[in-house]
Order: sequence, then structure tokens, then C-alpha cells
Amino acid sequence: DQQVKQNSPSLSVQEGRISILNCDYTNSMFDYFLWYKKYPAEGPTFLISISSIKDKNEDGRFTVFLNKSAKHLSLHIVPSQPGDSAVYFCAASTDYGGSQGNLIFGKGTKLSVKP
Amino acid sequence: GAGVSQSPSNKVTEKGKDVELRCDPISGHTALYWYRQSLGQGLEFLIYFQGNSAPDKSGLPSDRFSAERTGGSVSTLTIQRTQQEDSAVYLCASSPQLGRSTDTQYFGPGTRLTVL
Repeated sequence: DQQVKQNSPSLSVQEGRISILNCDYTNSMFDYFLWYKKYPAEGPTFLISISSIKDKNEDGRFTVFLNKSAKHLSLHIVPSQPGDSAVYFCAASTDYGGSQGNLIFGKGTKLSVKP
Repeated sequence: GAGVSQSPSNKVTEKGKDVELRCDPISGHTALYWYRQSLGQGLEFLIYFQGNSAPDKSGLPSDRFSAERTGGSVSTLTIQRTQQEDSAVYLCASSPQLGRSTDTQYFGPGTRLTVL
């Protein structure tokens, strides 16, 4: 049973517009959430994260929102650029139960930003 | 500085053969993780190392999978008697701390394993 779900396998956005990538989770013990970006033939690279005690974290064009009651988070990219085209993975982590920080990933959303 | 490196980048093997995948973490990183990504799936946690010990092997899918880490650095993931369902991209990540949820993990480029 998937604990982290990204229900949209792909998203296409025009350059300059907002990209919104969504993620849902089921485990209420998750206390840290991350977004990773992956280009073909490369490993995922860390993009932005948020602690469960916050509801928003912003870094330049990237903002992550967390709605704990809905067990939902989203990544906003504004303005979107063609170089943002990649697969975006949502991931969650917890220190509960001695999990040692291993990440639980969603299946990813492929973002295409068209010029 | 050098990031996480993995070798080989691609490996094609026949069903039933053993394979070894290597990971060189970022120098000085204490924690090391192995994940795999099967076609159309997200990354799946396999095993975690803290130094040379593996306190969490919960993600290893079967006893055909094993991993070791020597000198607190290089790690090797071994798959014995490979099966077609083992075909995936195997990713290694390291982080500087001791396996806390807030520690950023840095990923290598992965090894693409194809079992014929």
C-alpha cells in the first residue's frame, strides 16, 4: 500500500505560468517532507523540504505548502521555466520507530514546461 | 567537490547470475542508503548503513539481496541468482549525519540493471 501518492503522472505548463505538483500521504507519523527533481540518466537532486510543524516553505521560485489535516502537500513553481522540465518526486520521512531517515517516495510527476 | 558515484552505470546480466553494484558516497558522509526504482514506480528503500553497520535492512526484498559497507565508505549491493523482476535502477544516497529525517540525502546517478 502506497504511503506517498502522486496521482498525476505528468503535467504540461506554459513557460512563465505556475506549475503545481501535488502529493498525498497516508502515514500521520511522517514529520518531514521533501521534493526531489530528477533529470534523465541522473540521480534525484534535493529541491526543497518542509517540516511538519510548518505549513509553508519558500525558496526562490519554489514554494512547498503542507496541509496536515488533509495529508496533502504541493509544490508551486513560479514562474515556470523550460529548464524545470524533469520528473519531480515527493518524499516523506519520519524518525518515529527508528526508521533512520529513509525516504518514502511517490511515483513521480513528469513536468514539461513549454517555451 | 565529488558527489556520490556508482558503478557500473549499466549492467546487463542473465537470469540466475550474481551481480555486484558499487557505491562511493561523498567523503565523510556517515549515512548511506540504497534505493531502487522499478519501471513506472517510485524509489523504494532497500537498506541503510550507519558507518559500517546496517541497522535497517527492512527494505531488502528477499534473501538474495545483501549489502556491505567497508571502512565507513564504499558500499556494495549484491544480488544473487538474479531474476527478471530485479531489473531496475539501483540508486545510492549518502548524507553527512546519522540518519535523521531532516538530513538531506545526496543521490548518485544510479546503476541500471537489466536481467534477461
